Amino acid sequence: EAGVAQSPRYKIIEKRQSVAFWCNPISGHATLYWYQQILGQGPKLLIQFQNNGVVDDSQLPKDRFSAERLKGVDSTLKIQPAKLEDSAVYLCASTLQGISNSPLHFGNGTRLTVT
Amino acid sequence: SQQGEEDPQALSIQEGENATMNCSYKTSINNLQWYRQNSGRGLVHLILIRSNEREKHSGRLRVTLDTSKKSSSLLITASRAADTASYFCAMDPTDSWGKFQFGAGTQVVVTP
Repeated sequence: EAGVAQSPRYKIIEKRQSVAFWCNPISGHATLYWYQQILGQGPKLLIQFQNNGVVDDSQLPKDRFSAERLKGVDSTLKIQPAKLEDSAVYLCASTLQGISNSPLHFGNGTRLTVT
Repeated sequence: SQQGEEDPQALSIQEGENATMNCSYKTSINNLQWYRQNSGRGLVHLILIRSNEREKHSGRLRVTLDTSKKSSSLLITASRAADTASYFCAMDPTDSWGKFQFGAGTQVVVTP
């Protein structure tokens, strides 16, 4: 089974620029998550999708972050404009829909550096 | 904000020794999961323990869960250099299914 795919692996931008990350979850996984992981910390949930609908985006800074999951498969996360404090690893994860007690499957993440 | 706290923040041991790390949380949970993260990589699922379970084993891993104290522990026996990684607990809260919240992690270094 192919894992969760993310791209790019690394991105360096200047503050106030925009950036987008892409995620392709495991086939058949209806639930998709974006997490932000700042160096030395645990992952922080940004947004949770069920198919193409948003389940929870309470911790997403909506003034600059946006995410979509068209057709309920791939997802993109965008930051516009970026700030220095957005420097982090952005992790995508997926899991089976409706299956309680199922684990998260993570991609390798995108490391963002904002200068 | 992190929903779980892990202790210790860092742990350094020699090969063959056991490593124990603890996780405390605040809400009621469906299950608690442990993940490993190697440097520069994503998280890998290790073990899941349901709220009605008290102990679970998987290979060299042993997890306990005490819901009355809202705490869990992960024991790695006979550690190897390849166990060097950060370990995170993640809680699946009962009031918002699937909204996994992670602890801050324990960084484990195993020296040969």
